[in-house]
Order: sequence, then structure tokens, then C-alpha cells
Amino acid sequence: AQRVTQPEKLLSVFKGAPVELKCNYSYSGSPELFWYVQYSRQRLQLLLRHISRESIKGFTADLNKGETSFHLKKPFAQEEDSAMYYCALENQGGKLIFGQGTELSVKP
Amino acid sequence: GAVVSQHPSWVICKSGTSVKIECRSLDFQATTMFWYRQFPKQSLMLMATSNEGSKATYEQGVEKDKFLINHASLTLSTLTVTSAHPEDSSFYICSARAQAADFGEQYFGPGTRLTVT
Repeated sequence: AQRVTQPEKLLSVFKGAPVELKCNYSYSGSPELFWYVQYSRQRLQLLLRHISRESIKGFTADLNKGETSFHLKKPFAQEEDSAMYYCALENQGGKLIFGQGTELSVKP
Repeated sequence: GAVVSQHPSWVICKSGTSVKIECRSLDFQATTMFWYRQFPKQSLMLMATSNEGSKATYEQGVEKDKFLINHASLTLSTLTVTSAHPEDSSFYICSARAQAADFGEQYFGPGTRLTVT
């Protein structure tokens, strides 16, 4: 089965605290994994993808095939990071399979 | 950057009527467009994949006769909800993949809020 699981619906942290948004996947092939972000009243946009191994807005994510995880991390959260975050897997058919999403709330 | 627009941004219609939603890629050509449905505070569920010049492929459980998709050009795909009912009320989002896009790069529209009364 092809599935993406984000176990936390809501994650609330204080500004400056580290953040980790969890993502686990189930996929028989070699996965292409992404993190998308949706700020309030804005469209979904790509945050980062595992293949490029980049850091965007201080966020990083490492693909761990052994644990089938692709957790999103940031060492020091900012208030402007508050948003919905979706982990997604692209299958061989080119379709994106989204996780349920995690709402990140960064308090001042 | 690549921009995808949707029209209308919101629509209210009466039960039994049909509604058409447009998805346009404004500054690039899109060979493939996707249609998603999103319920409040929930994830995006892929409804169908639309390829320019060919029939759309629908995900399991999506009624193709109810959700008609047309991808007549490289910059336009339309979703028509036929004989709409209140349970069709939702947020519909399209995305587009550019012809020469990096693997997996999809650009999302702002969404269309459909309310069926």
C-alpha cells in the first residue's frame, strides 16, 4: 500500500524552540518525498524535496529508508513558520500522495 | 515563478445544477494537471489526473460522470461538477506540472470553494 502518515494533527511550540514534524511512509519502490506548506489563506507550495537535499527557511528533512521516515526539522522555530505542513510521496505514476497534515503553531 | 490560477475562487449553487471550475497555468505549459479535493483541516485527496489531449484518469471511488474533466489546451483544464448535491460541497484544488519540470514539481492553484445549497 502507498501511504503517508503524519501522526500529529497539531504541534505547538514556543518561538526559538526546535521543531520536528514527523512523516512516515509506506511504498514498495524508491520514494520521491516532499514537504509542502500552506500558510493561512494561501495556496499550497513546495517547501523542500528529499532529492535536492536542500535547506529552505531553515528547514531540513532527511530520508531514512530503514525507518521509512522523512521528518521535517528546524532548530529554532519562528512565528512565521506557523502553517499547515504536508508530507507527500510521489509514486511511479507521478501522483502525489499526501499525509493528513500537521498544523504547526509557533507561540511568541 | 510558475503560477496557477483557478476561477472562480468561490461559488454557491443550488442542488441539481452543474458548476464549472477552471484551472489555468499562467506562465508555463502544463502537460499534466491534477484535481484534488480538500475537506476542512484535512488532507488533499487526488480525484483525477488530466493530460492534455487525452481522457482524464480518475482515482478509485471518484465518479467520472459526475466530475467531468477536460484538458483542451496546455494551459487550461476544467472540472465540471454535474448535478451537484450538498455532499459535493468542498474545496477543490488543481495543480499543474510543467512540460520541462523537475521530477515531481507541481504548482498549485489557490483553490475553489464550492457550496451546494
